[in-house]
Amino acid sequence: SQKIEQNSEALNIQEGKTATLTCNYTNYSPAYLQWYRQDPGRGPVFLLLIRENEKEKRKERLKVTFDTTLKQSLFHITASQPADSATYLCALDMGNTDKLIFGTGTRLQVFP
Amino acid sequence: NAGVTQTPKFQVLKTGQSMTLQCAQDMNHEYMSWYRQDPGMGLRLIHYSVGAGITDQGEVPNGYNVSRSTTEDFPLRLLSAAPSQTSVYFCASSLNQDNEQFFGPGTRLTVL
Repeated sequence: SQKIEQNSEALNIQEGKTATLTCNYTNYSPAYLQWYRQDPGRGPVFLLLIRENEKEKRKERLKVTFDTTLKQSLFHITASQPADSATYLCALDMGNTDKLIFGTGTRLQVFP
Repeated sequence: NAGVTQTPKFQVLKTGQSMTLQCAQDMNHEYMSWYRQDPGMGLRLIHYSVGAGITDQGEVPNGYNVSRSTTEDFPLRLLSAAPSQTSVYFCASSLNQDNEQFFGPGTRLTVL
């Protein structure tokens, strides 16, 4: 079955740098991939969706790439700020089903 | 719009008790789902629905029942609570599976 792998170790970066988070999947290529942000004690909040025929998507300081050959999506936050500190989750479909599954998330800490 | 609402926010049960977690949305979304979130496990899909009268199992459905009699409501029933069901439960809704998911604030459940 489809598995999603996100780095479970926290990513610590300095304010102003670019943060890059990775989402790898193991089997078939999903039709789309979504990225969410989650703050402690809150529900996830949608950030970006990228479809299988799209290589890159941008929204303000956020950029997502999708490489079906590497079975990987990268999520970039440019000019990072302490307010970007949160856990970031990727989600994708399980293929030929209506199920949306999530990775375990990567915690990002941006320090001044 | 209130978005996605969940009640209660907190609940403590004894082993063997049953209860219903409520979820409602006022965005006329067809797709609704329930996830549980445990430390180190990420969000795991319990059950989902693609429209009124239609439900299906997710990754971890055992011990839970759902029904979808209206577009707005998607309650999750715990039949006989077990300590392994101690978790934070999130309800989500969207137009369909491959659109932005809107999450509720979550219900923190403890089973003693």
